[in-house]
Amino acid sequence: DTGVSQDPRHKITKRGQNVTFRCDPISEHNRLYWYRQTLGQGPEFLTYFQNEAQLEKSRLLSDRFSAERPKGSFSTLEIQRTEQGDSAMYLCASSLRTGGYNEQFFGPGTRLTVL
Amino acid sequence: AQSVTQLGSHVSVSEGALVLLRCNYSSSVPPYLFWYVQYPNQGLQLLLKYTSAATLVKGINGFEAEFKKSETSFHLTKPSAHMSDAAEYFCAVSGDLGNQAGTALIFGKGTTLSVSS
Repeated sequence: DTGVSQDPRHKITKRGQNVTFRCDPISEHNRLYWYRQTLGQGPEFLTYFQNEAQLEKSRLLSDRFSAERPKGSFSTLEIQRTEQGDSAMYLCASSLRTGGYNEQFFGPGTRLTVL
Repeated sequence: AQSVTQLGSHVSVSEGALVLLRCNYSSSVPPYLFWYVQYPNQGLQLLLKYTSAATLVKGINGFEAEFKKSETSFHLTKPSAHMSDAAEYFCAVSGDLGNQAGTALIFGKGTTLSVSS
């Protein structure tokens, strides 16, 4: 299967701990996105990379959040000093820039629960 | 700024009935529009997309949507619902990359479709 993969699928942590999620995009895709989805809501954009460059960040991405894509392949999303409000599904998506539109392929997500 | 409104957070239909999920968008640039489906504890799967070609777009699993610029709508339909269609459906909009209007997808809040036998 050559789809987008995310690890771990589930993470339970205590408030104040740091967590890190990994996303492996579809191999030839040069764009990678992170979204957050809370219960009963649609996904909300957090940040995106083109190759290794982080080009856009949402206001939702507080200073406790950091994302990297060091070699333009996989990406990590780290949350420091987690809070209960960080509990959500974190979705990764990737795309290949073709023409003018932006078809994104999503991974299965990482569900974070902060106790 | 772009936005998406999905009318009706929950739609219930009988198996074999018409499915209609409503989506209205707001965009200051030519929009690209998408419908995604999400099954419990899974990621999003693309159903169909509008990219300024034909206004009637056909997708997977028998779904289709029609882009109506005058109504700023992109409603999703399926002639005959199946039990396996029960899921969460999200409408999303993206701006024209050439206009640097944003590469992120802006999603609606979703509509839960229930199908009864």
